[in-house]
Amino acid sequence: DIQMTQSPSNLSASVGDRVTITCRASQNIDSWLAWYQQKPGRAPELLIYKASSLESGVPSRFSGSGSGTEFSLIINSLQSDDFATYYCQHYKTKSATFGQGTRVEIK
Amino acid sequence: EVQLVESGGGVVQPGRSLRLSCAASGFTFDDYVMHWVRQPPGKGLQWVSGISWNNADIDYADSVKGRFTISRDNAKNSLYLQMSSLRPEDTALYYCVKGRHGFPPSYFDYWGRGTLVTVSS
Repeated sequence: DIQMTQSPSNLSASVGDRVTITCRASQNIDSWLAWYQQKPGRAPELLIYKASSLESGVPSRFSGSGSGTEFSLIINSLQSDDFATYYCQHYKTKSATFGQGTRVEIK
Repeated sequence: EVQLVESGGGVVQPGRSLRLSCAASGFTFDDYVMHWVRQPPGKGLQWVSGISWNNADIDYADSVKGRFTISRDNAKNSLYLQMSSLRPEDTALYYCVKGRHGFPPSYFDYWGRGTLVTVSS
């Protein structure tokens, strides 16, 4: 199975900061990667698919990059609504795997 | 508006069975792959199982293979998860999730609110 590793696990940041979350795959997944945001008590929401395609309705301050085994989610000018947990997920194979999550907290 | 509404969760003893259901609306159900994803309390997301639009392609996570069975009834716009031989580590919030495409693999564009399964004696 393909393993997904996110870093950092926790991140403290201030409103207006630029935040980068990294996701590494244990083997090549091309660009078959999605990013989700989950707020407490809520279901996850899709942000990015195919590594860098922004889902409709998602603010443009979110962007994704990478291919192969290393990927990044970047949040430009962090807003108060962005404090949440973020997950990456590969869909290279039928057995989808998520990263362990990155919690973005207010500094 | 896409809606996915799960039901059937509850408290069950180890070794027993439980059947989850998901009622879908707001999209053409039989055009899309559907999945179950779970989240243990305070922990991360775990993909459980997926089923293609025509039932031809079904997959399970290794942790549930042989114990869980996914199925769908396109006439009823419904997804199911039959869970047997339940273990305490199956305790989680179970989400019904829509895939973007008809066949796996896929990413997930709509999620239900989840139904909680607690396995405890």
